[in-house]
Amino acid sequence: AQSVAQPEDQVNVAEGNPLTVKCTYSVSGNPYLFWYVQYPNRGLQFLLKYITGDNLVKGSYGFEAEFNKSQTSFHLKKPSALVSDSALYFCAVSPPSGGYQKVTFGIGTKLQVIP
Amino acid sequence: EADIYQTPRYLVIGTGKKITLECSQTMGHDKMYWYQQDPGMELHLIHYSYGVNSTEKGDLSSESTVSRIRTEHFPLTLESARPSHTSQYLCASSEGGAKTQYFGPGTRLLVL
Repeated sequence: AQSVAQPEDQVNVAEGNPLTVKCTYSVSGNPYLFWYVQYPNRGLQFLLKYITGDNLVKGSYGFEAEFNKSQTSFHLKKPSALVSDSALYFCAVSPPSGGYQKVTFGIGTKLQVIP
Repeated sequence: EADIYQTPRYLVIGTGKKITLECSQTMGHDKMYWYQQDPGMELHLIHYSYGVNSTEKGDLSSESTVSRIRTEHFPLTLESARPSHTSQYLCASSEGGAKTQYFGPGTRLLVL
């Protein structure tokens, strides 16, 4: 069975500092990996995904994520955090094929950017 | 503009009432999903659909039902609402192969 772990309930970072939100996964075969962001009282917004190719994936709002197959990780990063980045971040994984393309979401990590 | 819509955004209702949460998407996606999420918590898949006349239950048992008569429309119905149904309900859609899910803004339900 596939799974996603987001080991930190909350990440606090000062505005202007680099941020990292961690994600590790377990899935058979080569995974599809996603990051989503959720602002209060809103649905999830897609940030970026990894399917194949370059291990560094660039996404919306200056975010990027690095796929590390040996460590089964897909950490979300941003060089300089903004207060407006404060939100709930979800990592998700799915196998590359299958009838029902099941996507498993992590439990979410709350990012707090301190002015 | 292609998008996914949910109505109502907020609903307060009494126990025992029947309710339908609406979800529509204009992206032409075959696959649609309903998730239940308590505020600030993880998502739980409760229903999904591969296409018209296709519906399946998700990972989390739910007393709700869904229908998919048109590609763009995926309503969720609770025949008799209870306080335990209080939650946020998120609808999403995706196209085959890409798997990126696009979410609506959610319906926050409060059952008194």
